[in-house]
Amino acid sequence: DGGITQSPKYLFRKEGQNVTLSCEQNLNHDAMYWYRQDPGQGLRLIYYSQIVNDFQKGDIAEGYSVSREKKESFPLTVTSAQKNPTAFYLCASSITSGRIGTDTQYFGPGTRLTVL
Amino acid sequence: AQSVTQLDSHVSVSEGTPVLLRCNYSSSYSPSLFWYVQHPNKGLQLLLKYTSAATLVKGINGFEAEFKKSETSFHLTKPSAHMSDAAEYFCVVSDDNTDKLIFGTGTRLQVFP
Repeated sequence: DGGITQSPKYLFRKEGQNVTLSCEQNLNHDAMYWYRQDPGQGLRLIYYSQIVNDFQKGDIAEGYSVSREKKESFPLTVTSAQKNPTAFYLCASSITSGRIGTDTQYFGPGTRLTVL
Repeated sequence: AQSVTQLDSHVSVSEGTPVLLRCNYSSSYSPSLFWYVQHPNKGLQLLLKYTSAATLVKGINGFEAEFKKSETSFHLTKPSAHMSDAAEYFCVVSDDNTDKLIFGTGTRLQVFP
């Protein structure tokens, strides 16, 4: 089955620890994205990547880091510098036509991160 | 800057009655517009999208939306609600300058038997 997988589904972190969220896709999509979702708010873009070994900051990149060493993988690290990391994190991918704003994004099931 | 406003945070309907979820957007040009649905603790699924073709867009599960440029609206409708339609719905517009997606704050649809 083609799709996007995220792991783990639930993640607990102590304050001051870095954690890495996994995102893998087997759709052969060029572009991948990370979003953060908080209750009562829309999704906010953290980072995105349109090609291997290249990525761009989104609207709320502070306290996060990413890498894109393989086309199918786009892990997100939540660092200790992120002041309020408790949230639901969603990964997405799309076949990019060059304009990511017109491409349909396909979403993974999400990871819920809780800082204890 | 572009923005999208979902006019209702909650909508409640009875099963079998029509659904209307309202969305207004601001955009300088002809935008790309999307509706996504999210069931609890799940990822988002595309319902439909508008990219300057026909103004009435048909999506999955019987949903459709009409692009009205004069009203800057892209309301989502369904003639007859089903219990499985209960979820959170997001209206999304593409940003003219950055080409990124801007998400509305969501409308939670409840369907009563």
